Amino acid sequence: ETGVTQTPRHLVMGMTNKKSLKCEQHLGHNAMYWYKQSAKKPLELMFVYNFKEQTENNSVPSRFSPECPNSSHLFLHLHTLQPEDSALYLCASSLRRAGEAFFGQGTRLTVV
Amino acid sequence: GIQVEQSPPDLILQEGANSTLRCNFSDSVNNLQWFHQNPWGQLINLFYIPSGTKQNGRLSATTVATERYSLLYISSSQTTDSGVYFCAVELMYSGGGADGLTFGKGTHLIIQP
Repeated sequence: ETGVTQTPRHLVMGMTNKKSLKCEQHLGHNAMYWYKQSAKKPLELMFVYNFKEQTENNSVPSRFSPECPNSSHLFLHLHTLQPEDSALYLCASSLRRAGEAFFGQGTRLTVV
Repeated sequence: GIQVEQSPPDLILQEGANSTLRCNFSDSVNNLQWFHQNPWGQLINLFYIPSGTKQNGRLSATTVATERYSLLYISSSQTTDSGVYFCAVELMYSGGGADGLTFGKGTHLIIQP
């Protein structure tokens, strides 16, 4: 248990579905992140939030829509995904810039 | 962007052996972390080591920031050490806010009994 919890752990969705991934951290951190790990690429940063403000969008397609209602919660809203979006999605948090980052267990997403 | 290179990409050892994993990075950083990814995908924190040397049981790590590399040492390997080891860095710059980590491609370690 790292203090970062992701739900669901597994998700299968059709290309026309809309779903959301949830991340919650109990560490009192101020920065939260979404990362993607697919079979063909190394772990890559998707979004960064600092104090609820988005500070990085790493050229992610608009079918991925992040939301950070407060410093403890982070969502990733998914709509009209493609099969190539199937991957492990990891959430992380850190106290501050360059602080130690802690990761959740991940959501393994399959798009059919 | 910053480049992170890990070597070797694959490593197969017998139980009890020692190993050294290397991480080279292309720019100045103010965060460097080593992770072990378990079979279920979770990243387990091993070391937060932007510089210097740390030890935790059979594992130790050294980062030489001026030469832009870090080493992870595993001694007396056990089968439970198998998995993928990632090095990740955060770029140093003067702006505010977090940037997130840039990961290497990992070293896939297999410890055979």
